[in-house]
Amino acid sequence: EIVLTQSPGTLSLSPGERATLSCRASQSVSSSYLAWYQQKPGQAPRLLIYGASSRATGIPDRFSGSGSGTDFTLTISRLEPEDFAVYYCQHYGLSPQITFGGGTKVEI
Amino acid sequence: EVQLLESGGGLVQPGGSLRLSCAASGFTFASYAMTWVRQAPGKGLEWVSGISGSGGSTYYADSVKGRFTISRDNSKNTLYLQMNSLRTEDTAVYYCAKHQIPAAGTISAFDYWGQGTLVTVSS
Repeated sequence: EIVLTQSPGTLSLSPGERATLSCRASQSVSSSYLAWYQQKPGQAPRLLIYGASSRATGIPDRFSGSGSGTDFTLTISRLEPEDFAVYYCQHYGLSPQITFGGGTKVEI
Repeated sequence: EVQLLESGGGLVQPGGSLRLSCAASGFTFASYAMTWVRQAPGKGLEWVSGISGSGGSTYYADSVKGRFTISRDNSKNTLYLQMNSLRTEDTAVYYCAKHQIPAAGTISAFDYWGQGTLVTVSS
């Protein structure tokens, strides 16, 4: 099973700042199978990025994903008030190898 | 508009059973793999089970294998999760989600999620 480790656990930033979130895999994974989700309190997760770098439908271009092998990054170029949330990375290889990272909370 | 609506959650005693349903609309249900993901209170996301569009292939996390059964009725556009031998550690919000790419089966991200249904296992 591929284990995804996200860091930092919490990121304290201000609106307008740049956020850089890390996701490290326990073994090399295909970038085709790496996604990022955003979850706000009391809401279901929302797909932001798939295939490591492709934005999902309707996602603003301030969100970008990058990386390969074992190291992946989600970058929010300029934080908007609505971006303060928890972010999860996910590997979705051949089931049952669907795993999530532990999450990074982006707080004000 | 894609909509996923879960139901069937509630309070159940350890060792008991529960069946969750997820009613889907706004897309060709039979063309897409579907999945269940859960989230324990205050915790992260855990993939539980997935099923191909035809229902012919099913997949389970080790934590639920042998206790949970995923199924679907494509004539009713509905996904199910039969949960037996429930344990306190199964307490969570259960989300159904749609896989993104029909040709990729379960090997694609989850592009739509329901709002979840809470399952509480407690005596």
